[in-house]
Amino acid sequence: AQTVTQSQPEMSVQEAETVTLSCTYDTSESDYYLFWYKQPPSRQMILVIRQEAYKQQNATENRFSVNFQKAAKSFSLKISDSQLGDAAMYFCAYRSAKTSYDKVIFGPGTSLSVIP
Amino acid sequence: SQTIHQWPATLVQPVGSPLSLECTVEGTSNPNLYWYRQAAGRGLQLLFYSVGIGQISSEVPQNLSASRPQDRQFILSSKKLLLSDSGFYLCAWSVRGQGRPYEQYFGPGTRLTVT
Repeated sequence: AQTVTQSQPEMSVQEAETVTLSCTYDTSESDYYLFWYKQPPSRQMILVIRQEAYKQQNATENRFSVNFQKAAKSFSLKISDSQLGDAAMYFCAYRSAKTSYDKVIFGPGTSLSVIP
Repeated sequence: SQTIHQWPATLVQPVGSPLSLECTVEGTSNPNLYWYRQAAGRGLQLLFYSVGIGQISSEVPQNLSASRPQDRQFILSSKKLLLSDSGFYLCAWSVRGQGRPYEQYFGPGTRLTVT
């Protein structure tokens, strides 16, 4: 069974600095998707970025980028120029590309604090 | 555009009372639907998911149940609430089938407190 691990329960970053959140996963499949979700204090889950395993290029969305290392099964999120609004819980998630498999596996989350 | 609604937003119920949480999706057809529970400061626990009307898969044995009476409606129920049912309940939907990508889109959630 697939698993997702986030080894950093809490992280902090100075405003305007860069922070990297770690995520590792375990799977025997070769085709899958990886996601980072953000959950601010409002608790609304927001998709931050997605990565398709068959794409070698790392995904980027404005200040958010990932470092996808398929062989190492690692999927870290880098937040550049951190802003106060980035303070939230961040969840890494995995989904098989098999159309018959409809579930997303979430990691336990990392709580990010941004220090003014 | 697609939107997902959940209600109520907040609910306080006594132990032993029934529960009904509703989730509806607009702007899409034949979605996969999901119910998650999130305890305070914790990750997401998948409770149920549905790939079609009347088709429910249960992930965790408990006193909760789910139903999908219509294509874009997903209901979470309980006949008798337990204290341990307190938490934040999230409904989500995703595209079904061949479409890529497969991310899930979440509703605003329901905060349930069982007293």
